[in-house]
Amino acid sequence: DAGITQSPRHKVTETGTPVTLRCHQTENHRYMYWYRQDPGHGLRLIHYSYGVKDTDKGEVSDGYSVSRSKTEDFLLTLESATSSQTSVYFCAISEAERAGEQFFGPGTRLTVL
Amino acid sequence: GENVEQHPSTLSVQEGDSAVIKCTYSDSASNYFPWYKQELGKRPQLIIDIRSNVGEKKDQRIAVTLNKTAKHFSLHITETQPEDSAVYFCAEGDNYGQNFVFGPGTRLSVLP
Repeated sequence: DAGITQSPRHKVTETGTPVTLRCHQTENHRYMYWYRQDPGHGLRLIHYSYGVKDTDKGEVSDGYSVSRSKTEDFLLTLESATSSQTSVYFCAISEAERAGEQFFGPGTRLTVL
Repeated sequence: GENVEQHPSTLSVQEGDSAVIKCTYSDSASNYFPWYKQELGKRPQLIIDIRSNVGEKKDQRIAVTLNKTAKHFSLHITETQPEDSAVYFCAEGDNYGQNFVFGPGTRLSVLP
């Protein structure tokens, strides 16, 4: 597996609390992505980054923000978690030259009570 | 937004038989079509991909075909084995990693 880690791997939180998920890579890849995975929906893109401080919204960005202050880290923040954000979150990375080939992290299971 | 349809949603085959999963897409600008395999509790892993300048690509027991005119692409697995049992996702996008859309997935069960 590519050098991608996610933390935490599991988290249970309460509605209204802020949550930050971290994706860390050791591959020096330019592109990083955050997806959520829910039954029947496959993987849906939340936000992505094409460089340090360069980010853009994906299909389901409402309620989420991201930051990328250095190449290796991409943070996903839920400012005020809701039960509809209970999901498995995957980070992915890809090289600039072949940006379509994405490699996924191990995932974070988030439960919002 | 763009949409990717994937069929069937579940597929059961006998070990040794072939399995075919089909995806259709709507964005005519898409030129990259990967397939991912996800085993239970694991991360999705890229198994094969095809770019729009090619009609077919093969890797051992796995092949992908692309029909850009009809906007559909298919995954073919021959001589299926129990370890092929997983959820398979198709996706479509561009070479720049943007506008990436996944299909809803197909759960493949290979029966011994």
